[in-house]
Amino acid sequence: AAGVIQSPRHLIKEKRETATLKCYPIPRHDTVYWYQQGPGQDPQFLISFYEKMQSDKGSIPDRFSAQQFSDYHSELNMSSLELGDSALYFCASSFPGHYGYTFGSGTRLTVV
Amino acid sequence: KNEVEQSPQNLTAQEGEFITINCSYSVGISALHWLQQHPGGGIVSLFMLSSGKKKHGRLIATINIQEKHSSLHITASHPRDSAVYICAVESNTDKLIFGTGTRLQVFP
Repeated sequence: AAGVIQSPRHLIKEKRETATLKCYPIPRHDTVYWYQQGPGQDPQFLISFYEKMQSDKGSIPDRFSAQQFSDYHSELNMSSLELGDSALYFCASSFPGHYGYTFGSGTRLTVV
Repeated sequence: KNEVEQSPQNLTAQEGEFITINCSYSVGISALHWLQQHPGGGIVSLFMLSSGKKKHGRLIATINIQEKHSSLHITASHPRDSAVYICAVESNTDKLIFGTGTRLQVFP
């Protein structure tokens, strides 16, 4: 069965560069959630989208932005990268009213 | 007090041992997930449960909704099972709440 696809799997960027992470939900899921997990830390909720509109916002820095497109995939744009942005960024998708998040395996971002 | 608590936080075992990781939660949930994360790796979804028990290979997950408790069991543990195991619940308000994880090391 198709899963949540994230790309790229790994990404290395320098400080002050920009990065774009992509998340493709499973078919019929119209809600996407983004999480950031720093080394040795719990996942932190960043932002979510439902039907291409932002539905909830967590601890997402102002340097980051995200959107959901008409095909329901989502992109997390990160600018002015800092060393502290090095983390695993994973997304999950769901269909409201039906339990069951499906998780992507994540993008591991390293800022050097 | 965290809404999702896991125990133990760290666990070491010898290869072949039976392992149990526990997860207790204090909120109403619609589902519970067990996730696996190898060092430097991504998220692997092991189970999603809303009731009863599920089995996949050497892994078994159970949930008791009345007691708000779930367990993840690993039979015949192997060094490749060494990872962080995370319990995450979908609250009734559709929020995902993560436990702090259990770090498992299985030695040969």
